[in-house]
Amino acid sequence: GQNIDQPTEMTATEGAIVQINCTYQTSGFNGLFWYQQHAGEAPTFLSYNVLDGLEEKGRFSSFLSRSKGYSYLLLKELQMKDSASYLCAVLDSNYQLIWGAGTKLIIKP
Amino acid sequence: DVKVTQSSRYLVKRTGEKVFLECVQDMDHENMFWYRQDPGLGLRLIYFSYDVKMKEKGDIPEGYSVSREKKERFSLILESASTNQTSMYLCASSFAGGETGELFFGEGSRLTVL
Repeated sequence: GQNIDQPTEMTATEGAIVQINCTYQTSGFNGLFWYQQHAGEAPTFLSYNVLDGLEEKGRFSSFLSRSKGYSYLLLKELQMKDSASYLCAVLDSNYQLIWGAGTKLIIKP
Repeated sequence: DVKVTQSSRYLVKRTGEKVFLECVQDMDHENMFWYRQDPGLGLRLIYFSYDVKMKEKGDIPEGYSVSREKKERFSLILESASTNQTSMYLCASSFAGGETGELFFGEGSRLTVL
């Protein structure tokens, strides 16, 4: 079966750095996405990785290792507004998105 | 900015009632999707559509139907609501052939079935 694993919840301190991991087992791979979802709001697109390596976008970076079936989202200089759920999703061989359950990130002052 | 609008943010219905959830997008996207989101589970695809009058079953279509009569509008129908359909329903849209597959989501409709 297809599976995406990510931690259920993480806590970090304002101003610090946090890494949210995502491991996947899917039938084929056509890219990996990270979305941010604030409580009660719509998910919004953060990043897309299809090749191995690190993609940096401001305070957020996303890393992919296809051979290991692994990705992480790195958030730097954490702000209170970064408190949200972070969803990992993989585009499989049929170009269907397989979603993880999401990681709830709690930022403490 | 892309805007995906869902008709109702919160609904409360009784078991057996027919429920319509409507979704409208304003960016001429070809693809539209209905997901449900439940605690501890990833987003699960109910139905999707790649074109007007076209629909495809997702992973959990049982108990649901959809309608896409116009390109910008994609409706989800629960013919006879049941308590296990209490959930958050998310509509999304995307460009056809968009290799990144980036989805644009609506705010969600939280349905409670009593």
